Amino acid sequence: NAGVTQTPKFQVLKTGQSMTLQCAQDMNHEYMSWYRQDPGMGLRLIHYSVGAGITDQGEVPNGYNVSRSTTEDFPLRLLSAAPSQTSVYFCASTPRGGPKDNEQFFGPGTRLTVL
Amino acid sequence: GENVEQHPSTLSVQEGDSAVIKCTYSDSASNYFPWYKQELGKRPQLIIDIRSNVGEKKDQRIAVTLNKTAKHFSLHITETQPEDSAVYFCAARSTSYGKLTFGQGTILTVHP
Repeated sequence: NAGVTQTPKFQVLKTGQSMTLQCAQDMNHEYMSWYRQDPGMGLRLIHYSVGAGITDQGEVPNGYNVSRSTTEDFPLRLLSAAPSQTSVYFCASTPRGGPKDNEQFFGPGTRLTVL
Repeated sequence: GENVEQHPSTLSVQEGDSAVIKCTYSDSASNYFPWYKQELGKRPQLIIDIRSNVGEKKDQRIAVTLNKTAKHFSLHITETQPEDSAVYFCAARSTSYGKLTFGQGTILTVHP
């Protein structure tokens, strides 16, 4: 199992550009989430999904869109990048039930800089 | 929504000492409380978690306690080692499985 994978690892954008951060998991987890982590701060939830076709907003959803067409993939779209979106982005997946019930598995992160 | 407060923000101890990090939460419906360790440039890694029907859980040098009445939970690390140096985050889950609210983090430094 590759676990949770994220691409790209690093990205530099100019203000106003759009892009998609990719996230995939091969553990058949129902739940997936996107967080951002700013320097010296904890993780803040952007969007999350409880299953294919179902998404909901987290704490800081403005400027981001998500979709979940398959169980495996949960891309995060930045519509018009702003310097305030400079951050490290983590994707996570969570199983329901089983020995790892509740545990969030994090991807390696994408470091995004918006100039 | 849920709000999680974590203290202290930095903690410095000597090797072999104990370290305690405390968190409070606001939503009495929260029922799952994980602790994550994050090394510089790495992803958060789960080190221990506790559910609301349990008061204490231990795993070797690490323990977590939960007081539901007071809505706080704590991480205890005994016999600290330099490799315990990292940022530690507490979190709470109140509704959806995919939705954790994190504390602000504690930078733990263990001096040899």
